[in-house]
Amino acid sequence: GENVEQHPSTLSVQEGDSAVIKCTYSDSASNYFPWYKQELGKRPQLIIDIRSNVGEKKDQRIAVTLNKTAKHFSLHITETQPEDSAVYFCAASSSGNNRLAFGKGNQVVVIP
Amino acid sequence: EAGVAQSPRYKIIEKRQSVAFWCNPISGHATLYWYQQILGQGPKLLIQFQNNGVVDDSQLPKDRFSAERLKGVDSTLKIQPAKLEDSAVYLCASGGDRRYEQYFGPGTRLTVT
Repeated sequence: GENVEQHPSTLSVQEGDSAVIKCTYSDSASNYFPWYKQELGKRPQLIIDIRSNVGEKKDQRIAVTLNKTAKHFSLHITETQPEDSAVYFCAASSSGNNRLAFGKGNQVVVIP
Repeated sequence: EAGVAQSPRYKIIEKRQSVAFWCNPISGHATLYWYQQILGQGPKLLIQFQNNGVVDDSQLPKDRFSAERLKGVDSTLKIQPAKLEDSAVYLCASGGDRRYEQYFGPGTRLTVT
C-alpha cells in the first residue's frame, strides 16, 4: 500500500517568515495529495489539495507543489501568523478505492 | 452546509467494556470513513463504506471492532471488548462526488482505563 512520510516532524518559524513542509510518497499511481490542518483538540480541516495533472496550486498564503518524478510534494505557508500554529498532515491517494494514506504530521509553531 | 456530526464527543470506559460511536455524514455524501487517530500520529483508516456497502475493512480489528451503515446514511462503530490500546480519537469522515476529497467530523475521544 501507499506509504507517506513527512519532514520535519516539528518546525518553528518567526511570525512573518515562510514555512515549508515536505512529504514523500511511495506509490507512483497516487494522483491526489491533500493537506489537512489540525489545531489542538479539533478536527482535521482540508486546507489545500493538488491532483497529479498540475505541478502547483496556490490559495492566498498557502501553496502546494508536486514533483511526480521524485514522488514528493510540499506545503508552503508565507507570511506566517500565530494562527497558523497547528499540526499539518499530508496524505496521498491509494490505488483503487477512494482511500487516503496519511503521514504522521508536522507540528508547526509560529513564534510571535 | 452542515458538516459531519459525531457523538459522543468524549467517552471514558473500563477495559473489557463495550462502546459505540455514531456518525452522521454530510448530506448526499455516499462515502463514509472511520479513522483511528492515536495521540501524535496521523489518522489510520479502519473502514470505508460506499453507500451501505463495505469497500475496505482490511485494517479493522474484526475480533473486537464492528461497524455498520444501515440505509446508507448514518453509521455506528462499536468496540467490544475494549482494550487499553484502543484509547484514541475516532474520526468519521465523508466524501462526495469529488474523488478522494474527505471532510472530517469533530471526533470522539475514547479513554480506556
